[in-house]
Amino acid sequence: DAGVIQSPRHEVTEMGQEVTLRCKPISGHNSLFWYRQTMMRGLELLIYFNNNVPIDDSGMPEDRFSAKMPNASFSTLKIQPSEPRDSAVYFCASSQRGEISNQPQHFGDGTRLSIL
Amino acid sequence: GDSVTQMEGPVTLSEEAFLTINCTYTATGYPSLFWYVQYPGEGLQLLLKATKADDKGSNKGFEATYRKETTSFHLEKGSVQVSDSAVYFCALSYGGATNKLIFGTGTLLAVQP
Repeated sequence: DAGVIQSPRHEVTEMGQEVTLRCKPISGHNSLFWYRQTMMRGLELLIYFNNNVPIDDSGMPEDRFSAKMPNASFSTLKIQPSEPRDSAVYFCASSQRGEISNQPQHFGDGTRLSIL
Repeated sequence: GDSVTQMEGPVTLSEEAFLTINCTYTATGYPSLFWYVQYPGEGLQLLLKATKADDKGSNKGFEATYRKETTSFHLEKGSVQVSDSAVYFCALSYGGATNKLIFGTGTLLAVQP
């Protein structure tokens, strides 16, 4: 079975440009999570969706960040305009949500973003 | 609120040494507990899990027991290998609508030959 697929794997762009990161969750999973990982701040949850609906976006740093999930098989994380401090590895993860306990989250390989 | 605390790293061991990485949690309910591992340049992978008190999760020689009385979920392995070098994350999660993972800060393990 295919795992969580993220694209691109690497992105280098100049400050001020729009950046779009993409994620395809595992088929049948109904929860999707976006994380950011840096040396300074570690692993941070940015936003997550259940059944394509955003549940908690309190981790989104500021209005420059937005995320969408138009259907069960696709999500995007957009940064506009980008800044050098947004440089990080961004991970997408998906899981099957249960009422009592959850199946584990499965992570993609991440997008390494560098803003010059 | 809920939180997870891990021992500070890095942890440096020689091959075949015994490993313990401490993890304690604070929870308002009865969460499931997880250990994830991140190898260099990769995403996190589930290593093991336990869903209720006294459960023991195990995988690839690693073990952890869900201790409600001490609110702990320490990771252990009897004999580490160089290939175990990675960052290890302890985490908790509930079922239902609030199903996000709450992670610890991660512990870097370096195993030397």
